[in-house]
Amino acid sequence: ETGVTQTPRHLVMGMTNKKSLKCEQHLGHNAMYWYKQSAKKPLELMFVYNFKEQTENNSVPSRFSPECPNSSHLFLHLHTLQPEDSALYLCASSQVLAASSYNEQFFGPGTRLTVL
Amino acid sequence: GIQVEQSPPDLILQEGANSTLRCNFSDSVNNLQWFHQNPWGQLINLFYIPSGTKQNGRLSATTVATERYSLLYISSSQTTDSGVYFCAVEPNTGNQFYFGTGTSLTVIP
Repeated sequence: ETGVTQTPRHLVMGMTNKKSLKCEQHLGHNAMYWYKQSAKKPLELMFVYNFKEQTENNSVPSRFSPECPNSSHLFLHLHTLQPEDSALYLCASSQVLAASSYNEQFFGPGTRLTVL
Repeated sequence: GIQVEQSPPDLILQEGANSTLRCNFSDSVNNLQWFHQNPWGQLINLFYIPSGTKQNGRLSATTVATERYSLLYISSSQTTDSGVYFCAVEPNTGNQFYFGTGTSLTVIP
């Protein structure tokens, strides 16, 4: 595998289900991100992990719970979602070279989530 | 936070035509990237260009950081260039990238 991979690519879930999205980066980077892209909207940053520590949480509802066990893997745990959470969820990684500078980002193919 | 505006929002081109996409931002930036999002949602890196000019085949980009804008040039457009083009900036205050609203490009044969 190369670059940034995400699984599953498509997910349909009910509002009472619990599911997880997985992201893995094979680039040796030290920062990883979750973004949400709703239809016809720009990407919205959800979470940032820098050296496995969460550094940003942009007012994301608690029904989204991130986990970063190591610098190569990032998960997004989902529970009791709402239909308006249906969107494309994108993972990215980058190499942080200096304090407060996140450098070039590389994206995975995304997980298209539908909440019924 | 920083504002990132892209223009035009929509663009339809005949195959073979040239175009210029613009990204304006409201504050000083450390980094700037251009992406192409294909119809399947994949974001493809085009340029990492905090300043200056770069070229890659039919595409080139210029960022004038002091005047807070960046331009993406597409020459001899092809149908495979269709999709949405995003710019993303990291402000000098750091800590995250902010994406523009995108330019939706359709190239017709």
